[in-house]
Amino acid sequence: NAGVTQTPKFQVLKTGQSMTLQCAQDMNHEYMSWYRQDPGMGLRLIHYSVGAGITDQGEVPNGYNVSRSTTEDFPLRLLSAAPSQTSVYFCASSYSETAGNTIYFGEGSWLTVV
Amino acid sequence: KQEVTQIPAALSVPEGENLVLNCSFTDSAIYNLQWFRQDPGKGLTSLLLIQSSQREQTSGRLNASLDKSSGRSTLYIAASQPGDSATYLCAVTNRGSTLGRLYFGRGTQLTVWP
Repeated sequence: NAGVTQTPKFQVLKTGQSMTLQCAQDMNHEYMSWYRQDPGMGLRLIHYSVGAGITDQGEVPNGYNVSRSTTEDFPLRLLSAAPSQTSVYFCASSYSETAGNTIYFGEGSWLTVV
Repeated sequence: KQEVTQIPAALSVPEGENLVLNCSFTDSAIYNLQWFRQDPGKGLTSLLLIQSSQREQTSGRLNASLDKSSGRSTLYIAASQPGDSATYLCAVTNRGSTLGRLYFGRGTQLTVWP
């Protein structure tokens, strides 16, 4: 059971480039989300999905795009990378939105935009 | 908007001490509160989840309490060990919002030395 898998773990981008952070879970979880973690700040929600074909914006969605074509995968796309998007990105999943379900996090993707 | 604050930001103690980490939140209309552990370069691991109707939860040497009316939670770690060294994060889910949407504090970085 791999849990939540994120790739790549490290990435350096030039300003203006686009890229996709991959997230996959093998637990048949309905709910998936992306957070970013910046130094001295708590994690902030970027986008989330409550099931295949359904996505919505979180607290800091600008500059990011998501889709959920399958239950397993929830990729995060950076459309035109900016230095302000330098951060650590975490994907998370849980069985449903219902309170009380354990939420599982991936190990993070370190992104630097130069 | 929900604001979550954790005090202290960092804590360094000798092995064997009992210690308390504090978390406060501004909006008491929460659904639940969770404590997470984050090791360097790793994702988050859920430690304890307290529903809004509960007062405390225990797991091994960890005990978390919740006082919703005052907007406070504490994580008590008994007989601390060097293996407890990590960053501890507190997160709440608001009533009326997407249940999987977490609001995080900035964390308490704990170092337990032998």
